[in-house]
Amino acid sequence: AQKITQTQPGMFVQEKEAVTLDCTYDTSDQSYGLFWYKQPSSGEMIFLIYQGSYDEQNATEGRYSLNFQKARKSANLVISASQLGDSAMYFCAMREAGRGGATNKLIFGTGTLLAVQP
Amino acid sequence: DVKVTQSSRYLVKRTGEKVFLECVQDMDHENMFWYRQDPGLGLRLIYFSYDVKMKEKGDIPEGYSVSREKKERFSLILESASTNQTSMYLCASSSPGPYSGNTIYFGEGSWLTVV
Repeated sequence: AQKITQTQPGMFVQEKEAVTLDCTYDTSDQSYGLFWYKQPSSGEMIFLIYQGSYDEQNATEGRYSLNFQKARKSANLVISASQLGDSAMYFCAMREAGRGGATNKLIFGTGTLLAVQP
Repeated sequence: DVKVTQSSRYLVKRTGEKVFLECVQDMDHENMFWYRQDPGLGLRLIYFSYDVKMKEKGDIPEGYSVSREKKERFSLILESASTNQTSMYLCASSSPGPYSGNTIYFGEGSWLTVV
């Protein structure tokens, strides 16, 4: 069964330092996508970065990069040069094709609460 | 600007009441989803719909039903609200594959308290 695991319920990081948020996944599909979202205290879900299962290069978006290790089924998010505004809940998510590609269900991990300290 | 709109941001309902949470999207998306979010449990999928009148159960459908009579609207129904359904409910929509990055859109969430 498809599953996303985030083992870090909470983390601290010093401002300007880099931080890695862990994510492992389980799927039997060959074709899938991995996402990271940020959720500040306001509750909105903010898309950060995406990695396709067939993408050979790790995805990067500004200060965000995704360390994709397919054989280990891990998709860790790396935030470089942390800022106070990065304090939020972070969710890893996976989307895999349903029957005939129709459903594209998106499942989430339990999240990691990141606190950036000045 | 793309939009997923949830009709109510904050609701307080009594135990046993029938509760409707409405979600409307303006992007002509086939897929729509309802999640509930609880501390320590992340977002759990309740139901999703991949076409009008088509629905599938997610991971936690018990106590909920859904309705999709029109493509743009996906309603979550609590037939008889209970206190353990106090939660934040998130609606999302997307088109089906091919996959790409920012193709899943979320509403702002509905905070439901059942007393």
